[in-house]
Amino acid sequence: EVQLVESGGDLVQPGGSLRLSCGASGLSFGYQWMTWVRQTPGKGLEWVANISPDAGGKFYLDSVKGRFTIFRDNAKNSLYLQMNSLRAEDTGVYYCAKDELFGRLDYWGQGTLVTVSS
Amino acid sequence: ETVMTQTPLSLSVTPGQPASISCKSSQSLLHSDGTTYLHWYLQRPGQSPQLLIYEVYSRFSGVPDRFSGSGSGTDFTLKISRVEAEDVGVYFCMQGLHLPKTFGQGTKVEI
Repeated sequence: EVQLVESGGDLVQPGGSLRLSCGASGLSFGYQWMTWVRQTPGKGLEWVANISPDAGGKFYLDSVKGRFTIFRDNAKNSLYLQMNSLRAEDTGVYYCAKDELFGRLDYWGQGTLVTVSS
Repeated sequence: ETVMTQTPLSLSVTPGQPASISCKSSQSLLHSDGTTYLHWYLQRPGQSPQLLIYEVYSRFSGVPDRFSGSGSGTDFTLKISRVEAEDVGVYFCMQGLHLPKTFGQGTKVEI
């Protein structure tokens, strides 16, 4: 059974940083594309970033480019999202998802809440 | 950015009756490989989104056959042949062809 478990969400001040983690089990993690999706009060569901199995390919939502970095550790079956220069509009629940390419996200984690507020 | 527009935004249905949700994209979702990358997700109350239908009409594993998808190009439809109580939640369409990948606003289905 595929399981994805996110962690790292917290309350952070504007301009601050946070690192989200997603632990994966029940899949061949090192062969899978992985994606971060967020659900915000302002914009609903938003695709944030995805990463290829070998981390050679990374793609980002324009509004997070230069601030967020997606990376992975295949030896640890883990996906990460480093978020810097956080803004109020980044507030939301962040999900990691297994990505079967072209938006087919067939397994999702339970999400982790990020709140950016002073 | 490809804009995904769903209608209606909310739907009140009677158990056993059909339901239909429309999703229109601002540009074609047909890839040169012949596949159309339009997917449907359901987010039940208090849960994460889950994949229902991928590539317009293919049901994901375990999805009941009362759910069906159709459409092409820029116009798509999700149909529930006979709504059951467990079908309540918010339904989202998503396009996976163009970056950034984008979701519709969601359609809330209530019994």
